[in-house]
Amino acid sequence: KAGVTQTPRYLIKTRGQQVTLSCSPISGHRSVSWYQQTPGQGLQFLFEYFSETQRNKGNFPGRFSGRQFSNSRSEMNVSTLELGDSALYLCASSRTSGGAYEQYFGPGTRLTVT
Amino acid sequence: AQTVTQSQPEMSVQEAETVTLSCTYDTSESDYYLFWYKQPPSRQMILVIRQEAYKQQNATENRFSVNFQKAAKSFSLKISDSQLGDAAMYFCAYRSNNQGGKLIFGQGTELSVKP
Repeated sequence: KAGVTQTPRYLIKTRGQQVTLSCSPISGHRSVSWYQQTPGQGLQFLFEYFSETQRNKGNFPGRFSGRQFSNSRSEMNVSTLELGDSALYLCASSRTSGGAYEQYFGPGTRLTVT
Repeated sequence: AQTVTQSQPEMSVQEAETVTLSCTYDTSESDYYLFWYKQPPSRQMILVIRQEAYKQQNATENRFSVNFQKAAKSFSLKISDSQLGDAAMYFCAYRSNNQGGKLIFGQGTELSVKP
């Protein structure tokens, strides 16, 4: 069974630009969560999508948005990039939202904003 | 709001020895899950072990076991017979049973294993 995949793996953008990251969950998984990992703030929850609906949202500005498609693939978008958005972005998929189900993480997308 | 605290930024253990990583959390909820994740240099997060709050019995997975003290809100990870491949960043995480898949992570403990 294929694991969670994230594309692209590495990305370099300029301040002010926007970026879209993609996450393909494990087959049969309907929940996708996104996290930002930085040396200063650690791992922070961005949002979760389940069955194409945003289930939960973390404390991030409106520049961060996401969506989920009918095949459960998810994208997150960051507009008007700032230097502080440089981070490793991880997504995790689960069969359903919450409960006893385990979450499986992808390899991450390393975003560098210059 | 729930918080997770890992007070040991770095730990070191000799190969084949035992090491314990500490984690405390704060919550007013009674229904939740606790996890330990491992993140090696590849950055791939790997689930090590999971504990359901309603279970009194401590979870074990091969060489990994936890000491779950619900009243003290403590959740430590014990690694027995440490191996070189155990070297990684370890994160303690909390998940409420009424907030979907949202994980709240501690700051992490960097574990090094000496041959």
